[in-house]
Amino acid sequence: SQKIEQNSEALNIQEGKTATLTCNYTNYSPAYLQWYRQDPGRGPVFLLLIRENEKEKRKERLKVTFDTTLKQSLFHITASQPADSATYLCALPPTGNNRLAFGKGNQVVVIP
Amino acid sequence: DAMVIQNPRYQVTQFGKPVTLSCSQTLNHNVMYWYQQKSSQAPKLLFHYYDKDFNNEADTPDNFQSRRPNTSFCFLDIRSPGLGDAAMYLCATSNEGRRPFEQYFGPGTRLTVT
Repeated sequence: SQKIEQNSEALNIQEGKTATLTCNYTNYSPAYLQWYRQDPGRGPVFLLLIRENEKEKRKERLKVTFDTTLKQSLFHITASQPADSATYLCALPPTGNNRLAFGKGNQVVVIP
Repeated sequence: DAMVIQNPRYQVTQFGKPVTLSCSQTLNHNVMYWYQQKSSQAPKLLFHYYDKDFNNEADTPDNFQSRRPNTSFCFLDIRSPGLGDAAMYLCATSNEGRRPFEQYFGPGTRLTVT
C-alpha cells in the first residue's frame, strides 16, 4: 500500500540551529514533492516544491532535497527562529491529476 | 488579497443533524478540494472539483456530499453527522493552468458533533 511517513515525535531545537525533517514514501513514483507549513488550528501553507530531476531547492532559510532512489525528501530550516515553530507536512501526487497525498507532518519547536 | 475563505470557523452540530460547511475563493482557481483532518493526522482528501467535474475519493463515505454552484463557491454537506465526523475540514484550491499545482488552503472549519 502507499505510505508517506514523517517522524511523529516533535523536534525540539535550539534557536539558531538547523532543523532537519525527513519524509519517506512507499509505492509512489512522484514527479514532484511539496512541503507545507501548518500552524495550530490553521490550514497548511505551501512552502516549496521540488521536482524529481532536482536534487536540491532553496528558499530563504529553507532547503529541500529529493532522492528518488531512497524515496526520501529532507527539509532543512537553517538558523531556526521561534517563529519557525509549526508542523511541516510533505505532500506528493498519487496517481491521477490534481490530487495530493499528505504525510501526518512533523512538529518543530524552536527553543529561544 | 486573493484568498480562500471558510465559514463558519467553528461549527457545532448534533448527532444526525445535517450540516453544511462553505468555502469561497477569490483566486479564480478551477480546482477546489475538501479535506478532513483529525488531530495529529494527515489531511485526508474527501473529493475535489475540476471545474464542474466532481471527483470522489473511493473511501469517502456517502454521508459526505458536495456542491459547487459556481467557480467561487463550494459546499460540504454532511447528511447525518456522527461523532467520528468531528474534525477540521479544510477547503483548498489550485490552478490547473500552473503545473504542478500547489494548493492554497483556507483557515478550516472545526466541526464538533454533540
